[in-house]
Amino acid sequence: DVKVTQSSRYLVKRTGEKVFLECVQDMDHENMFWYRQDPGLGLRLIYFSYDVKMKEKGDIPEGYSVSREKKERFSLILESASTNQTSMYLCASSAEQPNQPQHFGDGTRLSIL
Amino acid sequence: GEDVEQSLFLSVREGDSSVINCTYTDSSSTYLYWYKQEPGAGLQLLTYIFSNMDMKQDQRLTVLLNKKDKHLSLRIADTQTGDSAIYFCAEFGYGGSQGNLIFGKGTKLSVKP
Repeated sequence: DVKVTQSSRYLVKRTGEKVFLECVQDMDHENMFWYRQDPGLGLRLIYFSYDVKMKEKGDIPEGYSVSREKKERFSLILESASTNQTSMYLCASSAEQPNQPQHFGDGTRLSIL
Repeated sequence: GEDVEQSLFLSVREGDSSVINCTYTDSSSTYLYWYKQEPGAGLQLLTYIFSNMDMKQDQRLTVLLNKKDKHLSLRIADTQTGDSAIYFCAEFGYGGSQGNLIFGKGTKLSVKP
């Protein structure tokens, strides 16, 4: 079974802090994704990566950056956290071939105070 | 651009069948997916259907695809309280880069005993 592991289930940080959310997958998948999920807005794609050191902006990249130094790990960085970044963050991975399903981690519920 | 629409809520009684509907706009979609999200968890891939199929059955789940109307449905037979969750429909969107799924906002299924 595909395993996507997010480092924290719950995280509380303060406004202005630099926040790192980590995601690791064990299926040698090429593609990795970061979403945020908010009530009434569904899932919104922040960034994705289709190879090591490659990254592409999703629909809402502002205020975020990402890092993919190794194939199995994809990090989401909030450079200076703000209260409107309080949300549920979901990481996913998929194989390289088009149409392959995305497999999700359990999510990180991030609160910015 | 591509869009996926779902109704937001569905309520059924235990033992009844549930039908969750979804419409999509990208006529080039080749795979369509159903995901389930239980409270506080990530998204779990339930099933998927290839666009050259009309129907796919997997135990209590039946997926119907009407490609002409761009309509997808998920039927859950003998719905149980454990089926209470949010169900997301997703299509593979060629408008984005490879591996990019377009998600609906999710249908919250409530099962009453």
